[in-house]
Amino acid sequence: SQTIHQWPATLVQPVGSPLSLECTVEGTSNPNLYWYRQAAGRGLQLLFYSVGIGQISSEVPQNLSASRPQDRQFILSSKKLLLSDSGFYLCAWGTEGFSNQPQHFGDGTRLSIL
Amino acid sequence: AQSVTQLGSHVSVSEGALVLLRCNYSSSVPPYLFWYVQYPNQGLQLLLKYTTGATLVKGINGFEAEFKKSETSFHLTKPSAHMSDAAEYFCAVWGGYQKVTFGTGTKLQVIP
Repeated sequence: SQTIHQWPATLVQPVGSPLSLECTVEGTSNPNLYWYRQAAGRGLQLLFYSVGIGQISSEVPQNLSASRPQDRQFILSSKKLLLSDSGFYLCAWGTEGFSNQPQHFGDGTRLSIL
Repeated sequence: AQSVTQLGSHVSVSEGALVLLRCNYSSSVPPYLFWYVQYPNQGLQLLLKYTTGATLVKGINGFEAEFKKSETSFHLTKPSAHMSDAAEYFCAVWGGYQKVTFGTGTKLQVIP
């Protein structure tokens, strides 16, 4: 069966520290992968998506970056976190080609910046 | 361009009552439409989707939605609310080559 793992579940980091959130998918090949940020009352904001290894598209300019070193691994990073980076980060994957629909979501990482 | 508007950030219903969550969309091409549910501290789960064909779409957990082109709506309904339906619900639209756009969500409270 297809599963998606995202960790850590919660993270508290000081301003200016680095960040690395990891997401892995099992049970599918060559998925489209997505990173979203969810803020209260603001829905989901697409941060990055990837259609293949090493292929990253950024939707929102910011101090975050993403990488896809393997087919089913997607990493969200930052060199220096800002207070505004607090939020709930969701990884997702989908396979419906052109519709770019995220079909399955991880359980998210709640990031708090102090 | 595409957008989605969810009317009501919070909706309360009594257990056993009808659930109606409203979603209106805007799209320059025939859209694909989705409803997702999110339980606390979890990711989103796809409830149902409309792509083409039958305009009444049935999803999991007894939910259904009807695509009404003339009203640009895709409202989510369930005849009888259950306590386990308490969650946040997101409507989303895909129109062409743009990415899926999500609404801001509606939190459903079910009162016993």
